[in-house]
Amino acid sequence: NAGVTQTPKFQVLKTGQSMTLQCAQDMNHNSMYWYRQDPGMGLRLIYYSASEGTTDKGEVPNGYNVSRLNKREFSLRLESAAPSQTSVYFCASRTGPRGVYGYTFGSGTRLTVV
Amino acid sequence: DAKTTQPNSMESNEEEPVHLPCNHSTISGTDYIHWYRQLPSQGPEYVIHGLTSNVNNRMASLAIAEDRKSSTLILHRATLRDAAVYYCIPTGTASKLTFGTGTRLQVTL
Repeated sequence: NAGVTQTPKFQVLKTGQSMTLQCAQDMNHNSMYWYRQDPGMGLRLIYYSASEGTTDKGEVPNGYNVSRLNKREFSLRLESAAPSQTSVYFCASRTGPRGVYGYTFGSGTRLTVV
Repeated sequence: DAKTTQPNSMESNEEEPVHLPCNHSTISGTDYIHWYRQLPSQGPEYVIHGLTSNVNNRMASLAIAEDRKSSTLILHRATLRDAAVYYCIPTGTASKLTFGTGTRLQVTL
């Protein structure tokens, strides 16, 4: 019962470097989400994909791009990392777009940009 | 998105019941009320959700006010493993979870 798997778990980048955070779910969920959490704060939505083939911006999309590769996988790319993107990144999925169903979260990727 | 108000922190003794309140006075008629919790250094974990009627599951109970402007998450017997930040989140057809700062629950022996 893997649920939502995120890789890598930890990453240190230098300012200006690029990287892709990977997320995969094995629950056949339609919707997938990327959040970031800064120290002492709640989660903020970066991007989401309500269904395969669609993506939409969330609250804090600047500096990020996403790809919904297939129904299972949703990746988050930082093209030119900045220290302000130091955060913990969480991927989540749910079975449908409405409020009926609960979300399943991954364990997070801890990213430090120096 | 409906605005929520939760206490910043609460304390409980182990084995005691805990009632975590949430005010969501601007909730729309079709929003479900979701509760999640986040244990230290982990991702959020779904706890329970409901629309109008009270709900029970193996983790907790959810009591929803008749006017739906508030709800209470009830942990029947708190354990040390229940120490976490608890988030109350009205969620509608827009499908996005919007997290506030939640309630930090401390459980002591």
